[in-house]
Amino acid sequence: IQLTQSPSSLSASVGDRVTITCRASQGISSYLAWYQQKPGKAPKLLIYAASTLQSGVPSRFSGSGSGTDFTLTISSLQPEDFATYYCQQLNSYPPWTFGQGTKVEIK
Amino acid sequence: EVQLVESGGGLVKPGGSLRLSCAASGFTFSNAWMSWVRQAPGKGLEWVGRIKSKTDGGTTDYAAPVKGRFTISRDDSKNTLYLQMNSLKTEDTAVYYCTTINWVAARYYYYYMDVWGKGTTVTVSS
Repeated sequence: IQLTQSPSSLSASVGDRVTITCRASQGISSYLAWYQQKPGKAPKLLIYAASTLQSGVPSRFSGSGSGTDFTLTISSLQPEDFATYYCQQLNSYPPWTFGQGTKVEIK
Repeated sequence: EVQLVESGGGLVKPGGSLRLSCAASGFTFSNAWMSWVRQAPGKGLEWVGRIKSKTDGGTTDYAAPVKGRFTISRDDSKNTLYLQMNSLKTEDTAVYYCTTINWVAARYYYYYMDVWGKGTTVTVSS
């Protein structure tokens, strides 16, 4: 199963609403997670089961979608949100795959 | 505190072997499913493979690029996960992360990787 994220990169300002899309090559129900990675650091889990916010993650992050089309939304971009975001499908039958990543940069 | 600490990375020649370790603490390792993920320099994340807990069968699954060359194992008495890498290629050069696998059980099991180590660097070069 291949995951395609769009856009590959975006420039946005603090306070902007940001939406990242992840499209699966076949239906994956809600078997999708989102991660944030900052340079030189390990990824951090944001959302699992497509829309469930991981404990401790700010509520400005949200996820939606099912089947083949998913979105990660940051409702009001904060300075600490500038990072690269990855989606990952984790269905019952590995291999599991990641999207290619979306880099969110400061405008 | 839940913690994963990888070690064993280094420089190895193409065709060589290397074993990575991941020391776990702060949770019941024997009950955990575990995974390895890698990231080549300047590239995205790539899932390498996973191992289930022994109570769930202890079985392994691998990504196609490493299947037959890499082996994931665990020593629950030492709270340690391993990645044995053989027949290494230059394209295996990456930072290797170990992660825990968790899930929420609803009608189905929804998996996610919630705890990550800081990674260990493997360089395959002549």
